[in-house]
Amino acid sequence: AQSVAQPEDQVNVAEGNPLTVKCTYSVSGNPYLFWYVQYPNRGLQFLLKYITGDNLVKGSYGFEAEFNKSQTSFHLKKPSALVSDSALYFCAVRPTNAGKSTFGDGTTLTVKP
Amino acid sequence: EAGVVQSPRYKIIEKKQPVAFWCNPISGHNTLYWYLQNLGQGPELLIRYENEEAVDDSQLPKDRFSAERLKGVDSTLKIQPAELGDSAVYLCASSQSTNTGELFFGEGSRLTVL
Repeated sequence: AQSVAQPEDQVNVAEGNPLTVKCTYSVSGNPYLFWYVQYPNRGLQFLLKYITGDNLVKGSYGFEAEFNKSQTSFHLKKPSALVSDSALYFCAVRPTNAGKSTFGDGTTLTVKP
Repeated sequence: EAGVVQSPRYKIIEKKQPVAFWCNPISGHNTLYWYLQNLGQGPELLIRYENEEAVDDSQLPKDRFSAERLKGVDSTLKIQPAELGDSAVYLCASSQSTNTGELFFGEGSRLTVL
């Protein structure tokens, strides 16, 4: 069975500082990996995905994520945080041979001015 | 281009009453998903459709939940009868029918069962 762990319920950073939101996964075979963001009372919005190729993927709003196969991790990063980045972030994994995505429980990011 | 549309956004009902949620996916997206999201948790898959066929309904509590996607476009999720524990947000998502496709979510239907 596949699973996703987001070990931090909450991440707090100051505006302008770099941010990292952690994600580790467990899946049989090669994974497809995704990050989504959820603002209050809204649905999830796609940020970026890793399918194959370069381990560093870039996405919307200046976010990027690094796929590390040996550590089974896919951490979300941004060089300089904005207050408007404050939201709930979800990591998801999907095996390459199935259509089901499994989500982590989310990490609340708070960026303070 | 219109996104995934869900209705109603909010619904409050008494326990044992029925409730239905509707979803219209993005045009051309063959795959449709219903997810359940409890407070403080990530979405959990209830059912996945490829066109009109339910290809994964293993997590759908079939004693009280049902879903349909008769023409392979819009979909309805029904709960009958509702229980207190069904209070949650019901999310609909769609994607192109490839495994690499990201999901596009609607804004969700928040159900409160009293």
